[in-house]
Amino acid sequence: QITLKESGPTLVKPTQTLTLTCAFSGFSLSTTGVNVGWIRQPPGKALEWLARIYWNDDKHYSSSLKNRLTITKDTSKSQVVLTMTNMDPVDTATYYCAHSPNFWLLFDYWGQGTLVTVSS
Amino acid sequence: QTVVTQEPSLTVSPGGTVTLTCASSTGAVTNSDYPNWFQQKPGQAPRALIYSTSNKHSWTPARFSGSLLGGKAALTLSGVQPEDEAEYYCLLYFGGVWVFGGGTKLTVL
Repeated sequence: QITLKESGPTLVKPTQTLTLTCAFSGFSLSTTGVNVGWIRQPPGKALEWLARIYWNDDKHYSSSLKNRLTITKDTSKSQVVLTMTNMDPVDTATYYCAHSPNFWLLFDYWGQGTLVTVSS
Repeated sequence: QTVVTQEPSLTVSPGGTVTLTCASSTGAVTNSDYPNWFQQKPGQAPRALIYSTSNKHSWTPARFSGSLLGGKAALTLSGVQPEDEAEYYCLLYFGGVWVFGGGTKLTVL
């Protein structure tokens, strides 16, 4: 079965760079169509789509955050990494990674999420 | 900046029918926007319900259906159950970028 799990720091300081890892199992990111995305959710607020990386290494980013985000994959390790630079308290949120089997069917399997707090 | 708008909150009686909508600031929502719908309960990760406007996942209860309605994406729940009380989010495609709506808090009362 497909599982995903996010990991990374729970607390980062303003201006620091956040690095999150999504470790997954039950699928391969070398399979045609498959992709992994990142989504975040500030406490009590709505979901926000951040980025997506495809089996062919194609990458898409949120328009409002594209200058701060980088998504990469390590197919051999079954991991996807998201980095976000210049963190600010407004970036405090639960960060999720999720699997999609193709372009139009999004996020059928989700990780449990990891809460990242930005504070000095 | 593209904005996706949903009703902030709706209330429905058990056994009733309710339609949640999802509007785009760029104009009418079409199948080419690949509307996806998600359900989220407190303390849980979202769960996918509908993809590409009207397609259900294998786990999606039959009472949930997706469509296009009056230039918007729509999620209809028929025969609402108490366990359907949750936040519902739509997700639309805008040429390489995906945008979630602000969510609809559905209360079953």
